[in-house]
Amino acid sequence: EDKVVQSPLSLVVHEGDTVTLNCSYEVTNFRSLLWYKQEKKAPTFLFMLTSSGIEKKSGRLSSILDKKELFSILNITATQTGDSAVYLCAVDQTGANNLFFGTGTRLTVIP
Amino acid sequence: SAVISQKPSRDICQRGTSLTIQCQVDSQVTMMFWYRQQPGQSLTLIATANQGSEATYESGFVIDKFPISRPNLTFSTLTVSNMSPEDSSIYLCSVATAINSPLHFGNGTRLTVT
Repeated sequence: EDKVVQSPLSLVVHEGDTVTLNCSYEVTNFRSLLWYKQEKKAPTFLFMLTSSGIEKKSGRLSSILDKKELFSILNITATQTGDSAVYLCAVDQTGANNLFFGTGTRLTVIP
Repeated sequence: SAVISQKPSRDICQRGTSLTIQCQVDSQVTMMFWYRQQPGQSLTLIATANQGSEATYESGFVIDKFPISRPNLTFSTLTVSNMSPEDSSIYLCSVATAINSPLHFGNGTRLTVT
């Protein structure tokens, strides 16, 4: 059975801390892995990863994929209160229209 | 990326009634999808909205309960029919502008059924 597992389920940190969010997957016909940030209702796209070992970076956020060990991490450095959100990991499969989502990690950044 | 307008933003409905949610995109898109996010859960695909033909439904979702229209490449509607409290969820429209491009989401509709 295909699955995407995120850890931790929730995380509380202080402003300025660095956090690492984890996503492991077991899916057939893997094509890419995507990260989204969901603050209220709408997930906003962060990264799409297709190749192992190539870091994608956007400001304080970065992500990398390991296709051999079947996981990805999302790093956030120097966290701010505006980073508080649910971070969703999703896997795209070849030949399928469906994005298979994990249950998310709820990050809370306190001042 | 495409600008996706979804409405209504939220609604409170009585059981047994139906609600139609609209999704308008500011440019033609290849793929349009409807997702549901039940409280405390992750996103689940309801169906793929096909332009000019019947939608493709995922296991556990049927056309009679969730009729979908997509008359052109920029617009789609999802109707939640004969609602029950179990239909209380966030409903999300998503689009892909090209094959293998990432999905982008509308602002979502928070539905509460009493």
